Amino acid sequence: AQSVTQLGSHVSVSEGALVLLRCNYSSSVPPYLFWYVQYPNQGLQLLLKYTSAATLVKGINDFEAEFKKSETSFHLTKPSAHMSDAAEYFCAVSEGAGTYKYIFGTGTRLKVLA
Amino acid sequence: DAGVIQSPRHEVTEMGQEVTLRCKPISGHDYLFWYRQTMMRGLELLIYFNNNVPIDDSGMPEDRFSAKMPNASFSTLKIQPSEPRDSAVYFCASGRGSFEAFFGQGTRLTVV
Repeated sequence: AQSVTQLGSHVSVSEGALVLLRCNYSSSVPPYLFWYVQYPNQGLQLLLKYTSAATLVKGINDFEAEFKKSETSFHLTKPSAHMSDAAEYFCAVSEGAGTYKYIFGTGTRLKVLA
Repeated sequence: DAGVIQSPRHEVTEMGQEVTLRCKPISGHDYLFWYRQTMMRGLELLIYFNNNVPIDDSGMPEDRFSAKMPNASFSTLKIQPSEPRDSAVYFCASGRGSFEAFFGQGTRLTVV
């Protein structure tokens, strides 16, 4: 069965610093992987997705993630944090390659310090 | 496009009452999902539909929960009778083709 682990429920970074949010997955089939962002009182918005094409995936707002099969990881990065990046971030894996049945991680709340 | 529209945004009800949550998916999307978000359990998939047909309802917690999709532009999630432990944010999402799900803003349900 698929599962997702997000290390660190809370991460704080200074404005302008590198953002690194960690996600490890387990999957018995080639996974599809996603990062979603949730702002307060809002729904989830897709940042980026990996669907077995390029392993380095670029998303919106300068976020990117790299699929590393050997490490079963899909960490999210952004070179320079902005105050507006403060939100909760969710990693998700599909239950089978190319299905909508996601398994979500528990989320990482990102705080950006001025 | 207006996105996925959910109503109401907030609902407060008394234990034992029936609650109906509504969702209008994005036009042209053939998948519709209902998720529940709580602090304790995170995001859980309750049920999803493809072309208005329920495909997997294994996440529906109990018989008190039911979901319908009478047409491509409307779905409901009903809880009868409601209990305090049903308090959560309920999200509807829709999708087509690319396996990207588009989420609504959610309905915050409080059962007192």
